Amino acid sequence: GAVVSQHPSRVICKSGTSVKIECRSLDFQATTMFWYRQFPKQSLMLMATSNEGSKATYEQGVEKDKFLINHASLTLSTLTVTSAHPEDSSFYICSASRATGDSPLHFGNGTRLTVT
Amino acid sequence: AQSVTQLGSHVSVSEGALVLLRCNYSSSVPPYLFWYVQYPNQGLQLLLKYTSAATLVKGINGFEAEFKKSETSFHLTKPSAHMSDAAEYFCAVSAQRPGTALIFGKGTTLSVSS
Repeated sequence: GAVVSQHPSRVICKSGTSVKIECRSLDFQATTMFWYRQFPKQSLMLMATSNEGSKATYEQGVEKDKFLINHASLTLSTLTVTSAHPEDSSFYICSASRATGDSPLHFGNGTRLTVT
Repeated sequence: AQSVTQLGSHVSVSEGALVLLRCNYSSSVPPYLFWYVQYPNQGLQLLLKYTSAATLVKGINGFEAEFKKSETSFHLTKPSAHMSDAAEYFCAVSAQRPGTALIFGKGTTLSVSS
């Protein structure tokens, strides 16, 4: 089945630094990728939708200058958390969708970000 | 606009008992509906999905769900709980259009006791 790989699985960084998270579709072309954020014991909240070759669409309340999304190819999207702060500590999960059909979104295994 | 409500943030059952996790949806367009399971510090695993074919959907690990339009529900069931079923379960909805985002419910934690 379709696989989405997310890297790294865990990252610890110092406050003020930037962190990049990668999301790759391994065996299909993903024209659309989604980034979610999940706080402990809570649901997944959609942060943004990225389409290959165009600017990402951010959900209301998500700072686009803080959460930079790049979707430069049909198999790779990256999320960069810039100038990270402790409140950005969370579980970030990406998902990817095929271009056609009713296939469900495929999810990565998530990245646990801890900002100290 | 779409939304999902999962009734009961925590459900506890005994091993071998029926599992029932409730999900009601709201959607202004015909929906796709999904159930996912999440184990601690892991991503999501698709259990089953409704995509407007059969209203009774069978998934993995013995789970099934029935789409009831009149009740706007998509409850998840399993006849006999296993200890390994203990996890977080999310119901999600999307529009019937490829490449649209899923909107998730708040999740239900399932505990299984021996």
